Amino acid sequence: AQSVTQLGSHVSVSEGALVLLRCNYSSSVPPYLFWYVQYPNQGLQLLLKYTTGATLVKGINGFEAEFKKSETSFHLTKPSAHMSDAAEYFCAVTYLGGGNKLTFGTGTQLKVEL
Amino acid sequence: DTAVSQTPKYLVTQMGNDKSIKCEQNLGHDTMYWYKQDSKKFLKIMFSYNNKELIINETVPNRFSPKSPDKAHLNLHINSLELGDSAVYFCASSLRDLGNTIYFGEGSWLTVV
Repeated sequence: AQSVTQLGSHVSVSEGALVLLRCNYSSSVPPYLFWYVQYPNQGLQLLLKYTTGATLVKGINGFEAEFKKSETSFHLTKPSAHMSDAAEYFCAVTYLGGGNKLTFGTGTQLKVEL
Repeated sequence: DTAVSQTPKYLVTQMGNDKSIKCEQNLGHDTMYWYKQDSKKFLKIMFSYNNKELIINETVPNRFSPKSPDKAHLNLHINSLELGDSAVYFCASSLRDLGNTIYFGEGSWLTVV
């Protein structure tokens, strides 16, 4: 079965610092990987996704992620955090034969401090 | 125009009641979903419909019954509500093909008292 592990339920960074949110997946078939962001009392918004092709994926709001098959990872990064980045971030996986069903990680709450 | 809209956004109801949450998408997608987010913010799929046909039905109590009158609408009816049903329910939609972006609604906050 496919699964996603997000290390660190809470991450705190200073404004202007590097953001690194970790995601590792488990999949017996090639995965399709997603990062979603959820602001308080709102729905989920797609930040970026990896399906096939280039392993470094750029998304909205300056975020990017790199698919590393050897490490089964899809970590999310942003060079410089902004206060508006404070939110809950979810990594998710789906796969061929999965019916486009997303399996989510447990989420990482990002806090940005002045 | 909201792409995936669901109503109501907030719902407080007593145990034992029956309630419905409605969802509509105007993205021209052929697949719609219901996800549940619990109090620990864990998200899990409940159902998925493709062109009004049920294609994913996770282990969900029979008290939950989705209905899709057409491919732009997917409603969720819950019978005999229990305290444990309190959660945020998200409607979502996409094109069926693997890897297509799934777009989520704003969520419906259900509180059972």
